[in-house]
Amino acid sequence: DAGVIQSPRHEVTEMGQEVTLRCKPISGHNSLFWYRQTMMRGLELLIYFNNNVPIDDSGMPEDRFSAKMPNASFSTLKIQPSEPRDSAVYFCASSPDSLLAGVLQYFGPGTRLTVT
Amino acid sequence: GEDVEQSLFLSVREGDSSVINCTYTDSSSTYLYWYKQEPGAGLQLLTYIFSNMDMKQDQRLTVLLNKKDKHLSLRIADTQTGDSAIYFCAEKGGGYGGATNKLIFGTGTLLAVQP
Repeated sequence: DAGVIQSPRHEVTEMGQEVTLRCKPISGHNSLFWYRQTMMRGLELLIYFNNNVPIDDSGMPEDRFSAKMPNASFSTLKIQPSEPRDSAVYFCASSPDSLLAGVLQYFGPGTRLTVT
Repeated sequence: GEDVEQSLFLSVREGDSSVINCTYTDSSSTYLYWYKQEPGAGLQLLTYIFSNMDMKQDQRLTVLLNKKDKHLSLRIADTQTGDSAIYFCAEKGGGYGGATNKLIFGTGTLLAVQP
């Protein structure tokens, strides 16, 4: 299995621009998670989906952030407009749907976002 | 609220054992995890333990859980330079069968292995 796939791996953009991060979960996994990692705040859960439905978006920082999961094999995290404080590494993780759902989360390699 | 704390740094010599510690506050934690993050990479799940267990061993890794003190540790035997990484402790709350799949991560412990 290819694991969780994220694109792009690196993104540099100017303040005010729209940024779209993409994630392909592991095939057969029903839960998908978006995390943000910064030096100051560590690893934070932004949102997670179960069977393509957003379950908990309490970690989404503000209205500039939005996430979608149109089907079981694809999700996007969009920031519009982007700001320098959004600079971070964004991770996507997926988990199989079973009695242990959510127990075993498998992480992608991350997207390093730099907003200048 | 839920909180997970770890020491920031640990340095050991190659061949020695490493012990990384973690404390958490959520008494309803059901599963506790250890993840490893190498430079520029994502988090790799190393091992996890159910809250009704005291110990779990997996090759060079030993996880100890003291539920009374809400203390979790990861022991790495015969530490190698390839073990140098950041280690994250995480907990899943919400009780057994809880609706949330949310993990709360600690700040991470940087393990430096000296040759």
